[in-house]
Amino acid sequence: EDQVTQSPEALRLQEGESSSLNCSYTVSGLRGLFWYRQDPGKGPEFLFTLYSAGEEKEKERLKATLTKKESFLHITAPKPEDSATYLCAVHDYGQNFVFGPGTRLSVLP
Amino acid sequence: DTGVSQNPRHKITKRGQNVTFRCDPISEHNRLYWYRQTLGQGPEFLTYFQNEAQLEKSRLLSDRFSAERPKGSFSTLEIQRTEQGDSAMYLCASSLQGGNTEAFFGQGTRLTVV
Repeated sequence: EDQVTQSPEALRLQEGESSSLNCSYTVSGLRGLFWYRQDPGKGPEFLFTLYSAGEEKEKERLKATLTKKESFLHITAPKPEDSATYLCAVHDYGQNFVFGPGTRLSVLP
Repeated sequence: DTGVSQNPRHKITKRGQNVTFRCDPISEHNRLYWYRQTLGQGPEFLTYFQNEAQLEKSRLLSDRFSAERPKGSFSTLEIQRTEQGDSAMYLCASSLQGGNTEAFFGQGTRLTVV
């Protein structure tokens, strides 16, 4: 059965303090790994798709990387507006998206 | 607005009542997904459609839940005889058919069963 775990569960950073979030996955056949951002009371907002090991994607202060077993979301010099829950999901040959529990990020000014 | 639209945004209902939610996907997307999310958890898969065909349902989905997507456009999710454990955010997402395409989510319907 496909599984996605994320760590840490919660992370508090000072503004400007860079860090990384981890997503580990077990899937029978990976068709894509996705990162989403979710603000309280709202639906997840799409950030990145990664398809194969070694691939990297960047958007503003965020950079996502992928290996055969895990993905990292690197946050460089975060700002308070980056505070949110970051969700990782995998898309397998079963056609649906399996989500991890998320990492709650708080960036303090 | 060309995003995924969900209605209502909030629903409060008494235990035992039936509720129905609606999702309007992005117009060119032929795949539509329903997820449920409780506080502090990631979205949990319920079911998905490709056009009007319901292709997969979660084993966790009880018989009280039913979803339809007539004509392959909007979708409805009905919960019969609601229970307090049904209280959650119900999320709808849509995507294009094909291998590696991301899903885009609506803002969700927050259900509270009292």
